[in-house]
This record gives sequence, structure tokens and C-alpha cells, in this order.
Amino acid sequence: AQSVTQPDIHITVSEGASLELRCNYSYGATPYLFWYVQSPGQGLQLLLKYFSGDTLVQGIKGFEAEFKRSQSSFNLRKPSVHWSDAAEYFCAVGAVGAQKLVFGQGTRLTINP
Amino acid sequence: NAGVTQTPKFQVLKTGQSMTLQCAQDMNHEYMSWYRQDPGMGLRLIHYSVGAGITDQGEVPNGYNVSRSTTEDFPLRLLSAAPSQTSVYFCASRPPEPNQPQHFGDGTRLSIL
Repeated sequence: AQSVTQPDIHITVSEGASLELRCNYSYGATPYLFWYVQSPGQGLQLLLKYFSGDTLVQGIKGFEAEFKRSQSSFNLRKPSVHWSDAAEYFCAVGAVGAQKLVFGQGTRLTINP
Repeated sequence: NAGVTQTPKFQVLKTGQSMTLQCAQDMNHEYMSWYRQDPGMGLRLIHYSVGAGITDQGEVPNGYNVSRSTTEDFPLRLLSAAPSQTSVYFCASRPPEPNQPQHFGDGTRLSIL
């Protein structure tokens, strides 16, 4: 069965600092991987996705993520965070032939001014 | 573009009452799904549908019913509300291919007293 782990429940970084949010998945086949962001009181918005090709994917709002098959990871990065990046971030995994998308527990990001 | 529309945005029920959460999408997506979001647990799949007339259970289906009579609509019914069903509910849709991202509504915040 697919599973996703986001080890960090809450991360605080200073504005302008770099950011890395961790995501580890478990699935036997090649996964489809997604990062979503949720602002307070809002639905989820897609940041980026990976399903084949270049393992470094670029997303919206200056985010990128790298798929590392050997580590079963899909970590999200941003070189310099802005106060508007404060939100909750979810990693999700799907797969060929699997209709269900499995979400991690989420990481809440706080930005210090 | 309306995207995925959920109604109502907020609802308070008493234990034992029934209600229907509405979800409509205007993107002609075949796949639709319902999730519940609880603190520290990410999003958990309740039910999903791969097309009109076809539904299936997700991870946490007990206490919920769905039907899919049209491509556009995917209502979620709570048969007899329980306090454990207090949550934020999200509806999502996507094209049939699992590697396509899901589009989320803004959610329904439901409290059961």
C-alpha cells in the first residue's frame, strides 16, 4: 500500500532563509508525486508534480522538488522564503493504476519576520 | 472559472441529524473524490468516483454515502451525524489519468454537537 511520511509537523524559518520540507514515500512502483499548499481557510493548491523525466521539478511561487528514488524522497525546497509562504504543505503520492491519492500529515510553515 | 464548488462553507449539526454536502465541478472531470481533514492526520479519502454511476470506498467510508448521477455533481451524505465526524471536508476532481493533479474546493467546515 502507498504511504507518505512528512517527518516535520511544524517548521519555523526566518524570512529570506532557505527552506526544505521533507517527504518520504513508500510504494513499489514508480509513483506520481505531488506537493500542495494550503493557506488558512482555503483549499489545496498544486505547487508541483513529478511522474517521469527530470527528477528536479520546478513549481509555482519559486518552489522546486527533487525526486530521489534511492531514498524514496521528494523534498520540497525554496531558496528564499517570503512571509506569504506561511501555510501548510502536503506531500501526496499516487501511482499507475491506483485511483487513490495518499497524503502525508502535512507540515505547517511559520515565517519569522 | 468556477472550478470545484462546495456548499455550504460552514455547518453545525446535532448528533443524529443527517445532511448532504454538495460538490460541483465545471471542468468535465471524470474523477471526483471526498476527503476529510483532521489536525495531524492530513487528508483522508472517504469516497471517490471514476465516472457517473461509479463510486468506491476510500480509507474512511463509514457513516458516509455518495452517489454520482452526473459528471458535474458528487454529493456526500452523512446519514446520522456523530461528533467524530466533526472535520473539514474537501471535494476534489481531476481528469481520468492518475498522474493529473486534483483540483480542490474551498472546503466545508462541519461541527457536530
